[in-house]
Amino acid sequence: GDSVTQMEGPVTLSEEAFLTINCTYTATGYPSLFWYVQYPGEGLQLLLKATKADDKGSNKGFEATYRKETTSFHLEKGSVQVSDSAVYFCALSGATDSNYQLIWGAGTKLIIKP
Amino acid sequence: EAQVTQNPRYLITVTGKKLTVTCSQNMNHEYMSWYRQDPGLGLRQIYYSMNVEVTDKGDVPEGYKVSRKEKRNFPLILESPSPNQTSLYFCASSFSQTSYEQYFGPGTRLTVT
Repeated sequence: GDSVTQMEGPVTLSEEAFLTINCTYTATGYPSLFWYVQYPGEGLQLLLKATKADDKGSNKGFEATYRKETTSFHLEKGSVQVSDSAVYFCALSGATDSNYQLIWGAGTKLIIKP
Repeated sequence: EAQVTQNPRYLITVTGKKLTVTCSQNMNHEYMSWYRQDPGLGLRQIYYSMNVEVTDKGDVPEGYKVSRKEKRNFPLILESPSPNQTSLYFCASSFSQTSYEQYFGPGTRLTVT
């Protein structure tokens, strides 16, 4: 079945460092890809999305490019801030056997130190 | 303010004592679902509803019930809770099943002893 694999955390960085959180997927068909963010004590919220190959999603300084050839959707940010500390989830939807259900990665906890 | 609300936010209970976690959205969304979040497992869908009176099982439905009598409400019922249902629960809603942006409630931390 469809699946999403994220790098294990926690990822600990200093403020202003460059961030990459890896996400790869397995799916049939042509899924849409998403990054959701969960700040401490809150529910998840959509950070960015890409609906077809080579699309780049971006929001709040974060970017991710839908790479069909490597089945990846890595999250990047050029200069992280303490306020970016959160758990980040990669997800996919739209693949033929997932019936539009969102398939989630395990989440990656990001800790930014001042 | 557009939002999904859940109550209670925290609940400690004992094995076998029936409980209900409420979920309500004010966005007139058709699609609602319940997830549980456990360390290392990400989010797993328990049940979902595509509209009033239409519900279906997700990936981990055992031990849970839901109902959708009104569009805005989607309560989660644990008839006889067990310790393996200790988890963080999220309700989510979206305009439709194919509308991929889901709006999440703040979560309910449930502990079953």
